[in-house]
Order: sequence, then C-alpha cells, then structure tokens
Amino acid sequence: AQRVTQPEKLLSVFKGAPVELKCNYSYSGSPELFWYVQYSRQRLQLLLRHISRESIKGFTADLNKGETSFHLKKPFAQEEDSAMYYCALTPSGNTGKLIFGQGTTLQVKP
Amino acid sequence: DAEITQSPRHKITETGRQVTLACHQTWNHNNMFWYRQDLGHGLRLIHYSYGVQDTNKGEVSDGYSVSRSNTEDLPLTLESAASSQTSVYFCASSEAPADTQYFGPGTRLTVL
Repeated sequence: AQRVTQPEKLLSVFKGAPVELKCNYSYSGSPELFWYVQYSRQRLQLLLRHISRESIKGFTADLNKGETSFHLKKPFAQEEDSAMYYCALTPSGNTGKLIFGQGTTLQVKP
Repeated sequence: DAEITQSPRHKITETGRQVTLACHQTWNHNNMFWYRQDLGHGLRLIHYSYGVQDTNKGEVSDGYSVSRSNTEDLPLTLESAASSQTSVYFCASSEAPADTQYFGPGTRLTVL
C-alpha cells in the first residue's frame, strides 16, 4: 500500500538550531516526493519537490530510495519557519494524486 | 490575479442534509482536486477531475460526489451529511496532473 509517514506530530526547536522533519514513504515504484507547508492563517503551499533539487527558504530535502525517506532539513531555524509541514508523494504515472503524511507542526521558539 | 476560491468558508449543517461546497479557479487549469483534512490523517483525496465531464474517485469518496460542467468549477456534494464528515475541505488545481497543486483557503464543515 502507498503510505507516507511523518513520525513527529510536533517538533519544537530554538531559533538558530538545526531542524530535521522526518518523512518515510512506502511505495514500490518511483514516486515523486513533495513538502507542502501551511503557515498560520495561510493556504497550503508547495515548499519544494525532489525533482527540482532546489533550496527554498533555506530548506532542502534529499530523496533516499534505500531508506525510502525524504527528510526536510534546515541548518538554522527561524521563527517564521513555524508552521505545519506535510510530506506527500504522487505515484509514478503522472496522475497528480497526492498522498499526504499526517503532518508535523514545527514550533521555533525565540 | 488568477486564484482559487472556496465557499462557504464555514458551514454548520445537520445529519442527513445535502450540502454542496463550491470551488472556483480562474487559472483555466484542467486538473482539480478535493481533499479533506483531519487530525492524525493529514489530507486525503476525495475526488479529482482532469477536465470537463471527467471525474474520478479518490481514497475517501464514499458519501461524496462531484460534477465538472466547466473548467472553472468543481463543486463537492455530500448527499446525506454524516457526523463523520465533519472536517476541513480543501480544493486544489494544477495546470498538468503532476504539476504543483494550488490550494484554496478551505471550508470548515461541521455536521451536527
């Protein structure tokens, strides 16, 4: 079965500390992986996708097919990074059907 | 500016009533999606459409229906609302199926 698991409901760090939001997936093919973010009172929006290999707002994510993981990392957290983060995958086949993880709330304390 | 809107933003209804949630986008995107967001489950796909007259069931489609009569709109109908359908509903659209999805602001539905 296709599944995305985010093991942490809440991750709390201090400003300037490194951040790693974990994401593991279960899929037998070659999925496309995404991180979406929802800031307070804002819409869900794409943060990054693995095929673009970009760094957005200082965040990066590497797809590890051996460990079936797509962890989101940032070396120095900022207070404005506080938000709900969702990892998602879309199966191969260009369907666009997103399968989301449960979400992790990142709280960056001053 | 092009955008995606949802209405109403909040709705309270009673068990057994029919409810329709509206989704309207002005990007001229062919692909539209409906999700529900529940604590502990993240977002789950309800229905999706790749174009006019095309609709498909998602992971949690039971009790929901959609119709696509034009490019801009994909209304979601709860035929007979149940308390288990209390949730926040998000609509999204994309230019191509696997492109970035742009989300609406959400509709908070409460079924009493």
